Amino acid sequence: KNQVEQSPQSLIILEGKNCTLQCNYTVSPFSNLRWYKQDTGRGPVSLTIMTFSENTKSNGRYTATLDADTKQSSLHITASQLSDSASYICVVEWFNGGADGLTFGKGTHLIIQP
Amino acid sequence: EAGVAQSPRYKIIEKRQSVAFWCNPISGHATLYWYQQILGQGPKLLIQFQNNGVVDDSQLPKDRFSAERLKGVDSTLKIQPAKLEDSAVYLCASSLDTPGANTEAFFGQGTRLTVV
Repeated sequence: KNQVEQSPQSLIILEGKNCTLQCNYTVSPFSNLRWYKQDTGRGPVSLTIMTFSENTKSNGRYTATLDADTKQSSLHITASQLSDSASYICVVEWFNGGADGLTFGKGTHLIIQP
Repeated sequence: EAGVAQSPRYKIIEKRQSVAFWCNPISGHATLYWYQQILGQGPKLLIQFQNNGVVDDSQLPKDRFSAERLKGVDSTLKIQPAKLEDSAVYLCASSLDTPGANTEAFFGQGTRLTVV
């Protein structure tokens, strides 16, 4: 069964600090992995996309890593800002011949305190 | 570029009543998804359309939920009759092509449904 597990479930850090969110998946066959940011009351917005062969990708203060062998990904946020408070959802895209889809994790709820 | 539009933003109904949600995807996007997001959880796929055909509706509770995408553009999701456990945010998303084609899904703001 395709599954995406995220940790921690929630996290509170002070503004300016760094943090790392984890994602483990058992989705197969793997196509891509995306990290989405979901602000309260809004739909998710894609931050990064990583294919099977990519190990790291950055988007401003966000850096995602992928280890396809261990099926793990992380999202590192540098110098956090109050606007980073949101849920971060790991999504694995799979493609198997004529079928494809998205498997969502439950998300990590991040709170940045001033 | 206009995003995915959904309406209404909020809806409160009594159990056993019916409700319908509307979604207008990004122009030109062939794939449309409806997701159910219960508080504190990630989105769960209800149904995926490719143009006006259904690709995946395996997790759609077909005894009470129905969805259609007429002419391969707008889509409606209906719940009839609603149950308390249907309280959730219903997200619509669209993408240029299917996930296997490496295209990003863009989400609407969602419709928050409360069943009392």
